[in-house]
Amino acid sequence: EVQLVESGGGLVQPGGSLRLSCAASGIILSKYTMNWVRQAPGKGLEWVSYISSTSTALYYADSVKGRFTISRDNAKNSLFLQMNSLRVEDTAVYYCARGQSAHDPTSGLPGWGQGTLVTVSS
Amino acid sequence: SYVLTQPPSLSVAPGKTASISCGGNHLGDKSVHWYQQKPGQAPVLVIFYGSVRPSGIPERFSGANSGNMATLTIRRVEAGDEADYYCQVWESSRDQVVFGGGTKLTVL
Repeated sequence: EVQLVESGGGLVQPGGSLRLSCAASGIILSKYTMNWVRQAPGKGLEWVSYISSTSTALYYADSVKGRFTISRDNAKNSLFLQMNSLRVEDTAVYYCARGQSAHDPTSGLPGWGQGTLVTVSS
Repeated sequence: SYVLTQPPSLSVAPGKTASISCGGNHLGDKSVHWYQQKPGQAPVLVIFYGSVRPSGIPERFSGANSGNMATLTIRRVEAGDEADYYCQVWESSRDQVVFGGGTKLTVL
């Protein structure tokens, strides 16, 4: 069974940091592009970041550029999101989502994790 | 930035057809993908590249894209289709993924 499992969420104060992880099983993550997508409580989906299969292309939403860093460890079949300078408006469920190929950012996202909740509050 | 516009809500009776629109400038030139999200669950890809159904998605789901509008059509709507639906594209000029605001489908 193919699974993406996020971890690392929790409660953090404004200005703090968190590192999210996404562990894959039943699939070779190195064959796919990966994304982070978030959803604030009661709101719609918001894309956060993209990484190509070999980490040569990294893209970010304007709202997180300069504060968040996406990375991956293909040897460990894992994806990461380092989140610094967190703001109240970063509060959301964060999903990892895989693309349909190794280098095509225009593809759909056929695989999603169950999400991990990040709450930024004092 | 590129904007995808969806109606916030749509209500359809069981057995009828639901058509969910997604509008964007020259959207027909882009690859449009559609997701279904039920409460408390992760999104599920139901249509990719405008009109392709992933394996396991019922044939009742179809998609079309031309001009400035993409449409997700669900025929013979069932109670289990009640969910939020999102369209999505890649904005190549800014290297960003863009989601529509979502449409809440209610089955009467």
